[in-house]
Amino acid sequence: AQKITQTQPGMFVQEKEAVTLDCTYDTSDPSYGLFWYKQPSSGEMIFLIYQGSYDQQNATEGRYSLNFQKARKSANLVISASQLGDSAMYFCAMRGSASKIIFGSGTRLSIRP
Amino acid sequence: DGGITQSPKYLFRKEGQNVTLSCEQNLNHDAMYWYRQDPGQGLRLIYYSQIVNDFQKGDIAEGYSVSREKKESFPLTVTSAQKNPTAFYLCASSIAGRAHTEAFFGQGTRLTVV
Repeated sequence: AQKITQTQPGMFVQEKEAVTLDCTYDTSDPSYGLFWYKQPSSGEMIFLIYQGSYDQQNATEGRYSLNFQKARKSANLVISASQLGDSAMYFCAMRGSASKIIFGSGTRLSIRP
Repeated sequence: DGGITQSPKYLFRKEGQNVTLSCEQNLNHDAMYWYRQDPGQGLRLIYYSQIVNDFQKGDIAEGYSVSREKKESFPLTVTSAQKNPTAFYLCASSIAGRAHTEAFFGQGTRLTVV
C-alpha cells in the first residue's frame, strides 16, 4: 500500500530565511513520482516540483528544490529565501505506476515579515 | 485555454438529498480524480478513473458514486448515505499510466449540506 506522511502540521519562518518541509513515503512500486503542491487560502492547487524515483539528481525549480533520499524514503521540499507570498498549505504527493495519486496531510507554512 | 472546470464553485443542499458535482477537462487526459478536503486537512482520494467506462475506489468511496461515460467528464454524486458531506471537493486530471506526470486541478466546489 502507498502512504505519504507529513509530520509538521504548521511552521513559522522569518522572511528571507530558508525552510524545509518534511515528507516521507512508502510504496512497493519500483517506479513512482513524488510531487509538491502549494495551496493558498483561495483553495487552488499549484504544482511546484516533481522528482522521479529513478532520477539521480535532486529536482530544482527556481527557489524550490527537492531533497530526495531514496534509501530513507524521504522527499523534503526546500524553499530558499522565503517570501510573504509563500504563506500557504503545502502538500506532498506520490504517484505509482497505476495512476493512483495520494497526498499527505499537509504543512501550513506562515512567513513572518 | 486548456484546463479543468468544476461547477458550481459553491453548492448548498438539504440533508438527505443527492447532489452531483461537475468536472470537465479539455486537456485530453485519460486519468481523472476526485478528492475531498476538510478544513485544515489533506486531500483524500474518493475515486479515480484511468479510462472511459472504468473507475476505481479510493480511500473514502463510501457514500459517493461516479461515472465516466466520456473522456472529458467525471461527475461525482454525493449520496444521502454520506454521513458528513460538507467539504471542499477537488477534481483533477492527468496523463494515465505514467508515474512521472503531475495532476492538474480544478478550482474546487465547496459543498455545504444543511
